[in-house]
Order: sequence, then structure tokens, then C-alpha cells
Amino acid sequence: KQEVTQIPAALSVPEGENLVLNCSFTDSAIYNLQWFRQDPGKGLTSLLLIQSSQREQTSGRLNASLDKSSGRSTLYIAASQPGDSATYLCAVRSGNTDKLIFGTGTRLQVFP
Amino acid sequence: DADVTQTPRNRITKTGKRIMLECSQTKGHDRMYWYRQDPGLGLRLIYYSFDVKDINKGEISDGYSVSRQAQAKFSLSLESAIPNQTALYFCATGRGTDTQYFGPGTRLTVL
Repeated sequence: KQEVTQIPAALSVPEGENLVLNCSFTDSAIYNLQWFRQDPGKGLTSLLLIQSSQREQTSGRLNASLDKSSGRSTLYIAASQPGDSATYLCAVRSGNTDKLIFGTGTRLQVFP
Repeated sequence: DADVTQTPRNRITKTGKRIMLECSQTKGHDRMYWYRQDPGLGLRLIYYSFDVKDINKGEISDGYSVSRQAQAKFSLSLESAIPNQTALYFCATGRGTDTQYFGPGTRLTVL
């Protein structure tokens, strides 16, 4: 059974820092991996999607990497801003299925 | 207007009551999903639908039922609500194995 873990559970940093959020999964037979952002009172917003054949994806200040063999993904946020404060979730799709398995998230706070 | 809408946004009910949560989408996607989110457990899949004639159980379907009334509408029902169904419920839509698009969520409290 696929399990997804995110470390740390919470993170508080000053504005301007570069930071890394971690996601690990137990079954390397994934189809793709996604990073989402969740803001209080709002749904999830997809940030980056990495196919199993890819090593990384970039969008603006965000860069996500994927190492299938070790069952790990990282989300790198450059020059963090208070507006980046949110909960970040990673989710894996195992095989060619419709089921997303979510991690429990990392709650990020960026203070001025 | 939002692409995926959920009603109601908040609901407080009592044990034993029947509750329906509704989801509508304007994205034209064929696939729709219901998830629940609990603190410390992440999101878990309740039911999903590939089209109006195709309904599938997810990880935690016991105590829930769904109805796909049209391509754009997918409802989740709690036939007899119990306190451990207190959670944040999300509807999502998608096309194939691409990313899923989530609604704003419904916060349900069962007393």
C-alpha cells in the first residue's frame, strides 16, 4: 500500500530564505507526483506536476524534483515571501490509476 | 466564477441526520472525485466517477453514497451522519491522469 510522508510538518522562516519541503513515498511505481498549495478556507491549487519520467519541474520561484528510485521529492521555494504562507501537500498517483495518495502536508509560515 | 463550486460551505448537523453535499463544475471534465480531509491524516478518497454511468468506491466509502446527476454535478450523501464524519470535504475534477482541480471545500460538523 502506498504511503506518503511529508517532513517537516510545520516550518516557520523569515522572509527571503530559500527553503526545501520534503515528500517521501513507499512504492516507487508511481505515474506522477504533484505538489499542491492549500490556503485556509480555500481548496487545493496545483503547483507542479512531475511525470514519472521527469526529474524536475520549475514554475517561477518553485522547483520540484523527483527521485523515483529513492522514493523522494523535494519542493524548493526560492526567496520566500509572506504570501507563500500556506500548507503544501504532495500527492502521488500510483500506476495508471485515478487515485491520488496524499501526504499530510507541511504548514509553512513566512514572516516579514 | 469558480470552476468547481461546492454547497454548502459550512454545515452543522446532528447525529442520525441525512446530509447531502453538492458539487458543480464548469471545466467540462469527465472525472469527478470526493475527498475528506482530517487533521493529521491528509486527504482520503471517498468516491470517484469517470462519467455519469461509472461510480467507483475510494479508500473510505463506508457510510457515504454518491450520485452523478450529470457530467457537471456530483453529490455526496451521508445517509445517517455520525460524529466521526466531522471533516473538511473536497470535490475535485480532472481529465485522465492530469492534475485535479479542487473546490473550496465544505466544513461539516456532526454533533
